[in-house]
Amino acid sequence: KQEVTQIPAALSVPEGENLVLNCSFTDSAIYNLQWFRQDPGKGLTSLLLIQSSQREQTSGRLNASLDKSSGRSTLYIAASQPGDSATYLCAVPIDNAGNNRKLIWGLGTSLAVNP
Amino acid sequence: EAGVAQSPRYKIIEKRQSVAFWCNPISGHATLYWYQQILGQGPKLLIQFQNNGVVDDSQLPKDRFSAERLKGVDSTLKIQPAKLEDSAVYLCADHRETEAFFGQGTRLTVV
Repeated sequence: KQEVTQIPAALSVPEGENLVLNCSFTDSAIYNLQWFRQDPGKGLTSLLLIQSSQREQTSGRLNASLDKSSGRSTLYIAASQPGDSATYLCAVPIDNAGNNRKLIWGLGTSLAVNP
Repeated sequence: EAGVAQSPRYKIIEKRQSVAFWCNPISGHATLYWYQQILGQGPKLLIQFQNNGVVDDSQLPKDRFSAERLKGVDSTLKIQPAKLEDSAVYLCADHRETEAFFGQGTRLTVV
């Protein structure tokens, strides 16, 4: 059974710091891993998707890595800004009924970047 | 391509009232999901559609929640009657292969 864990649950840093968010999964046979951002009371914005064959993906100040053998992914945020304050969630798809898939979610890391 | 559209953005109702949410997914994406996300928790899958058919509704409280997908495109999620514990953000998503796309969500407050 796939389980996804994120640490830390909350993080507060001063502006400008580089930081790392962690995501762990118990079953290494994954299709991909996706990182999302969520602002309070809002929907989810996809940040990065790493396919199982990839080691990392980059978008601007964000870099996500994937180590399937150890069941871990990290989201690296460079030069953090107050606008980065949000909850960051990771999710992996698993097979569901009828050749479909559904996502298994971590509980997220709540990030506060202080000016 | 346009994103997943949801409405309304916010809704406040009294307990025992009814409420409906609407979702319009990305054109051509066959799979549609409704999630419930309670504050401080990860999204919980309520129901998954493949075209018009239900793939997974194992976590849908069927005594009060219902959902349908019209002609394999738009979908509505209804709660009747609402309880206080239904206060949450309701998210609609669709997938292209294994990548998920989400709408902005509907924030429901039951008072």
